Amino acid sequence: ETGVTQTPRHLVMGMTNKKSLKCEQHLGHNAMYWYKQSAKKPLELMFVYNFKEQTENNSVPSRFSPECPNSSHLFLHLHTLQPEDSALYLCASSLGGREVAEAFFGQGTRLTVV
Amino acid sequence: GIQVEQSPPDLILQEGANSTLRCNFSDSVNNLQWFHQNPWGQLINLFYIPSGTKQNGRLSATTVATERYSLLYISSSQTTDSGVYFCAVDTGTASKLTFGTGTRLQVTL
Repeated sequence: ETGVTQTPRHLVMGMTNKKSLKCEQHLGHNAMYWYKQSAKKPLELMFVYNFKEQTENNSVPSRFSPECPNSSHLFLHLHTLQPEDSALYLCASSLGGREVAEAFFGQGTRLTVV
Repeated sequence: GIQVEQSPPDLILQEGANSTLRCNFSDSVNNLQWFHQNPWGQLINLFYIPSGTKQNGRLSATTVATERYSLLYISSSQTTDSGVYFCAVDTGTASKLTFGTGTRLQVTL
């Protein structure tokens, strides 16, 4: 138990569906992150929120839309995805500010796009 | 951006053996973490070690920030140590962790 919880753990969706991934942290942190891990590739940073402000968008296609309503919750809204978007999506949190203090990860959502 | 390289990419050990995993990075870092990713995808924190040496049971880590590398030592390996080991660094300028390519470890009986 890392203090970061992701739901759902597994998701299968069609290319025309709309779905959302949820991340919640109970660590009192102020920074939250979405990472994507495709097969046989290193983890790729997608988005960073620092004190609820988006500070990083790593050239992610617009079919991925993040939302951070407060410091404890982070969402990733998905629509009209492609099969190549199938991957493990990981959420993380850290203390916040300019540096990344120790980061903690959720269990991940394994997404399959059919 | 900063480059993070890990070696070896793959490692097969017999149970009880020792091993050293290496992480090289191309720029100064403020923070460095080692993670173990289990077969279910969970990233487990092993060490938060921007510099110096730390030990936790059979695992220890050393970061030499001035020479831009970190080492993870695994002693008396067990089958439960199998998985992928990642190092990740933060340069302190962009509030993000950059991950290495990982070392896939398999411990056999």
